[in-house]
Amino acid sequence: AQSVSQHNHHVILSEAASLELGCNYSYGGTVNLFWYVQYPGQHLQLLLKYFSGDPLVKGIKGFEAEFIKSKFSFNLRKPSVQWSDTAEYFCAVTGGGGFKTIFGAGTRLFVKA
Amino acid sequence: DAMVIQNPRYQVTQFGKPVTLSCSQTLNHNVMYWYQQKSSQAPKLLFHYYDKDFNNEADTPDNFQSRRPNTSFCFLDIRSPGLGDTAMYLCATSSQTSGGGETQYFGPGTRLLVL
Repeated sequence: AQSVSQHNHHVILSEAASLELGCNYSYGGTVNLFWYVQYPGQHLQLLLKYFSGDPLVKGIKGFEAEFIKSKFSFNLRKPSVQWSDTAEYFCAVTGGGGFKTIFGAGTRLFVKA
Repeated sequence: DAMVIQNPRYQVTQFGKPVTLSCSQTLNHNVMYWYQQKSSQAPKLLFHYYDKDFNNEADTPDNFQSRRPNTSFCFLDIRSPGLGDTAMYLCATSSQTSGGGETQYFGPGTRLLVL
C-alpha cells in the first residue's frame, strides 16, 4: 500500500540549530514529492517540491530537500533554524500523473528563542 | 488576494444530522479536493473534482458526498454524521493542464464536531 512515513512527530530545537526532518515513502513508480508547512493559525502551504531533475531542491525561507530514489526518501533540511520556523511540516507524495496525494502524519517543530 | 475560502470555520452538529461544508476559490483552478484530517493524523483525500468530473477515493464512506456547481464552488455533504466524523476538513485546489501532481493550495479548514 502507498504510504508516507515521517520519522519524528515532535522536534524541539534552539535557534541556529540545524534541522533535518525525515520522510520515507512507499510507492511504485514515478512520484512527485512535496513538503508543506502549516504555521500557527495559518493554512497549509507549499514549502518546496520535487518533480524531476536535480534531486536537491531549494524552497522558501532557506529550506531544502534531497530526493534519494534508492532510499525512497525526501528529507527536509535547514542549516540554521529561526523562531519563526515553528510550525507543522508535512511530507506528501503524488504518483506521477495522478491526483491522489498521500500525506505523512506531520512533524511539529518548536524552535526555542 | 486570490485564495481558497472555507465556511464555516467551525461547525458543531448532532449525530445523524446532515451537514454541508463550503469551499470557494478565486484562483480559477480546475481541480478541487476535499481532505479529512483527524487529530494528529495525516490529511486523507476523500475525493476530488477534475473540472466537472467527480473522482471518489475507494475507501471514502458513502456517507460523504460532494457537489461542484461551478468552477469556484465545491461542497462537502455529510448525510448522517457519526461521532467518528469529527475532524478538520480541508479543501484544496490545483491547476492541472494534464495528469496530476501539481501544487495544491489549501483553505483554512472547517473544524467539525459531531456530538
